[in-house]
Amino acid sequence: DAGITQSPRYKITETGRQVTLMCHQTWSHSYMFWYRQDLGHGLRLIYYSAAADITDKGEVPDGYVVSRSKTENFPLTLESATRSQTSVYFCASRRRAGQETQYFGPGTRLLVL
Amino acid sequence: TQLLEQSPQFLSIQEGENLTVYCNSSSVFSSLQWYRQEPGEGPVLLVTVVTGGEVKKLKRLTFQFGDARKDSSLHITAAQPGDTGLYLCAGPSGNTPLVFGKGTRLSVIA
Repeated sequence: DAGITQSPRYKITETGRQVTLMCHQTWSHSYMFWYRQDLGHGLRLIYYSAAADITDKGEVPDGYVVSRSKTENFPLTLESATRSQTSVYFCASRRRAGQETQYFGPGTRLLVL
Repeated sequence: TQLLEQSPQFLSIQEGENLTVYCNSSSVFSSLQWYRQEPGEGPVLLVTVVTGGEVKKLKRLTFQFGDARKDSSLHITAAQPGDTGLYLCAGPSGNTPLVFGKGTRLSVIA
């Protein structure tokens, strides 16, 4: 059972380029999330989705776009990458709201030059 | 927005020592979760505490939820190098996603 996977695991890109980070979960969880993790800031929520075709902004959504056409996939796109978007990005999923366990992917390390 | 403050931010101890890390808020939470994140990986859930005053044990780790449900602590007995990692607390905030603290980064030296 694959669980939740992210690709690529590592990415180097240049300022101004478009980058898409992929996230796939095999549990049919309703909720999916994108976080970025930076030293001194902890985990910050970028976008989340409660179901297919439903997405909502988190704490730091500027410069990012998401879509969720299928329950199992939740790609994150950086439309025009900036150096400040260098970070580690984590995708997560949860079956439903409340006290449920939130499962995280292994992360994508993105470097924007 | 409900906030979770974790302390200390960093902790470096010798193998065999005991330690306690804290998660505090000015708001009441219906539950709190603790996650551990090892280097190069995503966070993994350790425990969920739900009832005020609740104590849960996971081998050498003891988790407590404050009576007023505004704080929680994690106590590790006889720490081992395998306990090294970032410990995060998180709690539900209304209908929005989990709120995470910034974490305590623990290093256990052999």
